[in-house]
Amino acid sequence: DIQMTQSPSSLSASVGDRVTITCRASQSISAYLNWYQQKPGKAPKLLIYAAFSLQTGVPSRFTGSGSGTDFTLTISSLQSEDFATYYCQQTYSIPLTFGGGTKVEIK
Amino acid sequence: QVQLQQSGPGLVKPSQTLSLTCAISGDSVSSTTAAWNWIRQSPSRGLEWLGRTYYNYKWWNDYPVSVKSRITINPDTSKNQFSLQLNSVTPEDTAVYYCARASGGSSSWFDYWGQGTLVTVSS
Repeated sequence: DIQMTQSPSSLSASVGDRVTITCRASQSISAYLNWYQQKPGKAPKLLIYAAFSLQTGVPSRFTGSGSGTDFTLTISSLQSEDFATYYCQQTYSIPLTFGGGTKVEIK
Repeated sequence: QVQLQQSGPGLVKPSQTLSLTCAISGDSVSSTTAAWNWIRQSPSRGLEWLGRTYYNYKWWNDYPVSVKSRITINPDTSKNQFSLQLNSVTPEDTAVYYCARASGGSSSWFDYWGQGTLVTVSS
């Protein structure tokens, strides 16, 4: 199975900050990497698919980059509605696997 | 607009079978451009993909080894829904269960999710 490791596991930031979350795969997954946002009590929401493609309706302050084993999700200017937990997910091979999550909290 | 509506019991006894259904609107379970998935989430295991069913000239299923001996995901074309059955449950199967549509062919990003069902395994 491909292991997905996210860092940091949590971070504190202020509105307006630039935030970067990292996801590392245990082997190369090309660009088969997706990012999700989850708020308490809700299902995850797709933000970025295929490493850098923005899902319809997602604000442009979210960007994804990377390929191979190292990926990043960047929020260019954190908004109040962005405080949530973020997950990466690989679709390179079965079983599909998720990272452990990064919780973005208010500083 | 695709919507997924989950139904099923929230409490299951140990050793029994967990059964959930996901009703689809706005798409077809027989679509050749989508796969229909079950995913669960617990504090101890995080987000865990449980498997999928999809149609491509015939019906296919994929399951992770971790649950393959206990799980069945079936499409129901007459009701446009799909189901999850997980046998011989233990308290470790306690989790929030989600159904989700995957788009993108082999790339498989989950673009629509059900509302989630908390299933507790307890006597």
